[in-house]
Amino acid sequence: DTEVTQTPKHLVMGMTNKKSLKCEQHMGHRAMYWYKQKAKKPPELMFVYSYEKLSINESVPSRFSPECPNSSLLNLHLHALQPEDSALYLCASTPDSSYEQYFGPGTRLTVT
Amino acid sequence: GEDVEQSLFLSVREGDSSVINCTYTDSSSTYLYWYKQEPGAGLQLLTYIFSNMDMKQDQRLTVLLNKKDKHLSLRIADTQTGDSAIYFCAEREGYSTLTFGKGTMLLVSP
Repeated sequence: DTEVTQTPKHLVMGMTNKKSLKCEQHMGHRAMYWYKQKAKKPPELMFVYSYEKLSINESVPSRFSPECPNSSLLNLHLHALQPEDSALYLCASTPDSSYEQYFGPGTRLTVT
Repeated sequence: GEDVEQSLFLSVREGDSSVINCTYTDSSSTYLYWYKQEPGAGLQLLTYIFSNMDMKQDQRLTVLLNKKDKHLSLRIADTQTGDSAIYFCAEREGYSTLTFGKGTMLLVSP
């Protein structure tokens, strides 16, 4: 089983809203990632969690706030976003002993 | 810094072979990956190759690695319309993060 799940599938939010994206994997993977992908572009890394601790923050604005409550769950809290933040947000995870990185289906975010 | 380059577009007819090419600059890359992304979907890991290998075959997919020229290719045999998607090449050094190419859009016509 190499499934990473993400909810919601689609999200529309206003610039003053607060919302959260959720990612889950039950494969025992200890590294989890958030990526942002604009149309027809490659994914851009935002955050990396390793053993539930934030190990990489790619200079992401503070209106994006990641959280890793446990080894299976990764959240991305959104507040005061801008229209240019509209994108596909992808979660991924990697097993300890492997170099494979598995992606979820993504959340399509539209900021109005 | 690391850089991964791909051609942007490839068009083939159903039943033909497709070859998608990728070049990278980081000579210390240890793993190289091919991902497939269909419209509106996430990235699907197709295959990957360790840098000490020259070739890897998995059903209709063949990956060739020329480490001297830093050139990676993905050959899809008997290409089907369901293979139409964007294909991303990515490289990784050790336990570091992935560096993606810009993606190649493969269009398969009947």
